[in-house]
Amino acid sequence: SQTIHQWPATLVQPVGSPLSLECTVEGTSNPNLYWYRQAAGRGLQLLFYSVGIGQISSEVPQNLSASRPQDRQFILSSKKLLLSDSGFYLCAATTGGRLQETQYFGPGTRLLVL
Amino acid sequence: AQSVTQLGSHVSVSEGALVLLRCNYSSSVPPYLFWYVQYPNQGLQLLLKYTSAATLVKGINGFEAEFKKSETSFHLTKPSAHMSDAAEYFCAVSGPRYSSASKIIFGSGTRLSIRP
Repeated sequence: SQTIHQWPATLVQPVGSPLSLECTVEGTSNPNLYWYRQAAGRGLQLLFYSVGIGQISSEVPQNLSASRPQDRQFILSSKKLLLSDSGFYLCAATTGGRLQETQYFGPGTRLLVL
Repeated sequence: AQSVTQLGSHVSVSEGALVLLRCNYSSSVPPYLFWYVQYPNQGLQLLLKYTSAATLVKGINGFEAEFKKSETSFHLTKPSAHMSDAAEYFCAVSGPRYSSASKIIFGSGTRLSIRP
């Protein structure tokens, strides 16, 4: 079974600073990868998804971007953080075959922008 | 297009009582349906899923859910609540299954509290 790693686990950043969150997947190849944001007391908001290296689809226009430099690596970035970027960021992956629709989640990164 | 509605953002039950978390879905194609659980400061963990086989789906930790097409519902139940069940629960429906990216649509979540 696949394992999803995220780091850092917690991050406190000042407004206007850059951001880089990393997600890596073990135990599977060619997964679909997803970035979600969960604001305090709210549900999951899909930010980006990727079906392959270099292929990124954005769900919500914002100051965040995503990249997939390797098959099992997914990066979430920002050039200048906003206060509204605070939240819990979750990476998820789906694997091929009949289980494709099941998403498996990483442990998350809690971001606080001050 | 798919959508999912979770009725009740917060449910509180006594330890040992029945747990019932409600979920209704909308889908133009036969859906895949999921329940996930999230403990504080952790990622989501799959509890169970429905993929058009048996309508009563059993999951981990004693939870089960029944797919009712006539009611477009997929409610989550557990006969006897345990303190460790306190968490946030998300119902989800699959997106377009025939595209290469299987997006899942999540509900807004239901926070389950257990009273001693």
